[in-house]
Amino acid sequence: QVQLVQSGAEVKKPGASVKVSCKASGYTFTGFYMHWVRQAPGQGLEWMGWINPRSGGTKYDPKFQGRVTMTRDTSTVYMELSSLRSDDTAVYYCMRDGAKYSTGWYGDFWGQGTLVTVSS
Amino acid sequence: QSALTQPASVSGSPGQSITISCTGTGSDVGNSNHVSWYQQHPGKAPKLIIYDVSNRPLGVSNRFSGSKSGNTASLTISGLQAEDEADFFCTSYTSTDTPLVFGIGTKVTVL
Repeated sequence: QVQLVQSGAEVKKPGASVKVSCKASGYTFTGFYMHWVRQAPGQGLEWMGWINPRSGGTKYDPKFQGRVTMTRDTSTVYMELSSLRSDDTAVYYCMRDGAKYSTGWYGDFWGQGTLVTVSS
Repeated sequence: QSALTQPASVSGSPGQSITISCTGTGSDVGNSNHVSWYQQHPGKAPKLIIYDVSNRPLGVSNRFSGSKSGNTASLTISGLQAEDEADFFCTSYTSTDTPLVFGIGTKVTVL
């Protein structure tokens, strides 16, 4: 069965960087794009970008351009966010795109979420 | 890119039907079939319940149905059950620099 398992909670100081991992299993890793989405406390969801695990190609939301980097290795995708601010405090989710080899712009499987807290 | 507009809350009694609206613009909902709906229980990851406007993933109850008219998408929950109490989000592909936008969320309460 498809599983996305994310790394554990992080506490960072303003200006630092954080790298969150999402290990995929139960399907052909290179067949499906992976998105990253975040949710600030008590707020709605916000799209950050996607990575194509087959090619390594990425697309980022302009809001995060220059601060976010998405990478992958054999079965894991990573999201690194730099120059952290207090308003980056949020739960970060990886979300598998449901369309094979393309972007269907919906997430059929989600990681359990990783809480990143930015505080001095 | 502004978030899609949803009512903050919708409520209904067990067995009733309720509808949640999701209003966007001609740059997103009005011009895209990539409209999806998610259910999120407190402290849990979202769960996909509708994709591409009206398609249900395998395993999702047929009590959930989706539709779209113009710039507004809708999610209908029929035969409301206590377990349906959760937050519901819509999303849409957009033709702007932010290709995926989310609704602000609707809290469904089962009376």
